[in-house]
Amino acid sequence: KNEVEQSPQNLTAQEGEFITINCSYSVGISALHWLQQHPGGGIVSLFMLSSGKKKHGRLIATINIQEKHSSLHITASHPRDSAVYICAVNRPGGGADGLTFGKGTHLIIQP
Amino acid sequence: EAQVTQNPRYLITVTGKKLTVTCSQNMNHEYMSWYRQDPGLGLRQIYYSMNVEVTDKGDVPEGYKVSRKEKRNFPLILESPSPNQTSLYFCASSPSIGVQRGYTFGSGTRLTVV
Repeated sequence: KNEVEQSPQNLTAQEGEFITINCSYSVGISALHWLQQHPGGGIVSLFMLSSGKKKHGRLIATINIQEKHSSLHITASHPRDSAVYICAVNRPGGGADGLTFGKGTHLIIQP
Repeated sequence: EAQVTQNPRYLITVTGKKLTVTCSQNMNHEYMSWYRQDPGLGLRQIYYSMNVEVTDKGDVPEGYKVSRKEKRNFPLILESPSPNQTSLYFCASSPSIGVQRGYTFGSGTRLTVV
């Protein structure tokens, strides 16, 4: 079983819909990251969370440490939101940064 | 502009021919790392560096070398590339491990080894 699981793997929605992508993890973490990867490959860091909720524009990220679960929400989705969204966690302690990645959620927003 | 610069963006090479992928950051970040991304496997860490002259293996270090002689540069060296190293590679940096800060990623290097 992977330490970081994302769902769904693929998601196709219509423009304007409210989108939710989920991330569950099975290890202790010091922080959780949401990343965005557009076609063409570049990765952009969207959020880093250790508790609570963060909002940036139409994007909202939440984390529940007790339940080991995080969600990424997109309000009023737009075709330019089409991308792969990747959840990653930092594991505390040890020599490595312990960045462990989920396999990503491929989101397509249709006009 | 704060950024991580990787070169080249695309590279096709032959088995056994040594190559270097460069990574440079202009943010004075202490931490740098290399990842490879493969279909179905996601991103996996190859090597990381917590500061100058401090490097360590990640999850998939076989076949790779790195060096950190200056804070800004963290090259990835493939001394004898093989086809199973065909992948999309990313370099990333972060201010420090102990500080909860986000990561800045390079634009990626798509490597094909034939």
